[in-house]
Amino acid sequence: GQQLNQSPQSMFIQEGEDVSMNCTSSSIFNTWLWYKQDPGEGPVLLIALYKAGELTSNGRLTAQFGTTRKDSFLNISASIPSDVGIYFCAGQPSTSGTYKYIFGTGTRLKVLA
Amino acid sequence: GAGVSQTPSNKVTEKGKYVELRCDPISGHTALYWYRQSLGQGPEFLIYFQGTGAADDSGLPNDRFFAVRPEGSVSTLKIQRTERGDSAVYLCASSSLGGGVDTEAFFGQGTRLTVV
Repeated sequence: GQQLNQSPQSMFIQEGEDVSMNCTSSSIFNTWLWYKQDPGEGPVLLIALYKAGELTSNGRLTAQFGTTRKDSFLNISASIPSDVGIYFCAGQPSTSGTYKYIFGTGTRLKVLA
Repeated sequence: GAGVSQTPSNKVTEKGKYVELRCDPISGHTALYWYRQSLGQGPEFLIYFQGTGAADDSGLPNDRFFAVRPEGSVSTLKIQRTERGDSAVYLCASSSLGGGVDTEAFFGQGTRLTVV
């Protein structure tokens, strides 16, 4: 099935560092969602974005809906060990008649204390 | 309930057997989604319900897979003649407002299916 491209695939960072990741699509999306998934658990919603250019924060997390509507970005400031996990973007295509979400390939984050 | 609930959490079945996976969405949510997640991959869309009807089943891989939501709440994903390649985590999500534009999907913890 279709999946969005996420970059980087994985990253190791030191505790306290800032993290940036992005998600790109070849088509236009109406909605972008960012999730975090821990081992053995379902994805947990972090941030939702609804308009091109929108910038939304949730604590140390900030996400942006790209102006082209084909990409989105997630930043984590001052990372801590519990930020470890897999981060997924999900987009809702603008194609009429369906409201399914398409997921990215994931960014695996490991934080070194 | 407070969140999306999926049962069972784990299911081991023999190749060729029939399995049913259940999803209880968040109360009041009219949209329900099924996804499949293979190891190391992102969730892959299977099917999406608005109320009782399947609004988009374009992700079902073949006719061995079928899902129902007879009363617009609980949904069951059914897999016939299971194959080893069906082994994956099956995730269910629900959202409000009919799952239209500008809505958020909330996931359950998933059912890990292993076909031996």
